Order: sequence, then C-alpha cells, then structure tokens
Amino acid sequence: EPEVTQTPSHQVTQMGQEVILRCVPISNHLYFYWYRQILGQKVEFLVSFYNNEISEKSEIFDDQFSVERPDGSNFTLKIRSTKLEDSAMYFCASRGTSGRSSYNEQFFGPGTRLTVL
Amino acid sequence: RKEVEQDPGPFNVPEGATVAFNCTYSNSASQSFFWYRQDCRKEPKLLMSVYSSGNEDGRFTAQLNRASQYISLLIRDSKLSDSATYLCVGVNTGFQKLVFGTGTRLLVSP
Repeated sequence: EPEVTQTPSHQVTQMGQEVILRCVPISNHLYFYWYRQILGQKVEFLVSFYNNEISEKSEIFDDQFSVERPDGSNFTLKIRSTKLEDSAMYFCASRGTSGRSSYNEQFFGPGTRLTVL
Repeated sequence: RKEVEQDPGPFNVPEGATVAFNCTYSNSASQSFFWYRQDCRKEPKLLMSVYSSGNEDGRFTAQLNRASQYISLLIRDSKLSDSATYLCVGVNTGFQKLVFGTGTRLLVSP
C-alpha cells in the first residue's frame, strides 16, 4: 500500500543551524502539507502546498521556514536558523483528489523528531 | 476560544466497556470533521469521518451536530488495542488544512 515516507526519523541540531526535513508523498497526490507537534501538545498546521506554490500558511510559518518540491517526488521543509522552540515532531501529509483517497483524507508520514540543543 | 476543544482525559476503562468522547468546535470555516487516532509518538491516522446523519464502522460510531457544534465518538466493547489518543479534527475550506483538537487519551485495561 502506498505510504508517505519521511527522513530522517530523528534529527539533532544546534541552535542557529539550518535543517532540511524530507518527505516523499504518495505518488499520485497533488496536495502536500507540513504539520508539527510539540511534545505534549496538539498537532498544528504549518503550510499547505499545491501546484508548486504555497497555498496557505500559519502564523508559525515565518521567514525562517520554507518548503520546496525540488524534483517532483520529494517535498522538503527547511528551517534556516533553528531555535530551541522548534523542537517538535514534524509530520508531512499528502492528499489526492480522487481514486484511492477518500474525500479530504490526508495521509501522514511517520514524522521527523527534531531536537534543537 | 480554541477552534476544536476536547477533554484531554485520560479515560480509564476496562475491556468490554463502552466509552464516549465529545468535541466542540467554534470555527464555522470547518466544513468536514474526522476522528483520527494517534498512538504514542506516532503519526495521526484516520479513524472515521463524521456526518450529521451519523457514521458507524464496526464498534465505532461518530456523530456531528452542526446546530450545537458538537461531535461525538462512541466506542463499544473496548479492546486493549483501542488504547490511544483520539483526535477530533476539522477540515477548513479552501486547501483543507486540518485543525486538530488536543486529543482525548483512552486507556483500556484488562
């Protein structure tokens, strides 16, 4: 069964460093999302991406964040200068528009745990 | 007011029990609702959609009351494997970002 994959599973970085979190969405999906979940808190929307551009972003998604779909298969989230408060689980999700995917269902990857020291 | 509110629990129930979770929402932009399940340190997974007419899937029943902005999930004959956090989720119009509640933790014991 097709699934969303994410790498790495765990990333440890120093404050101020840049990190790139990678996702491979389900191949026929057209809508892509990043969410984050700080330990013990709710899942929060960061950004949605469609047709090679950002379609919506939250207040969390400031100038330190960027997303890219560099090669038609990968979908990346970059944090330019990490802060301690960026430590969280980052989930990628994708959604299709027809066929296998039921209406609105977003399929989540297993997440990348980011630890900023 | 939070967009989606849930009682965080935990709900501790014995195997075989029936348990109900509730959720309220305040954002009228949410057009659809779902229950997701999240196991510890794992990704959310879709459990079921929620309709005004009700939705039943085996031991699980979900209901949406738009007038009261209230969503429910009923689990009958609880299994140990039902232990997880249940997330009430709204889907906003447009590009359909998901709006999550904080989740309700369920612990089913032998």
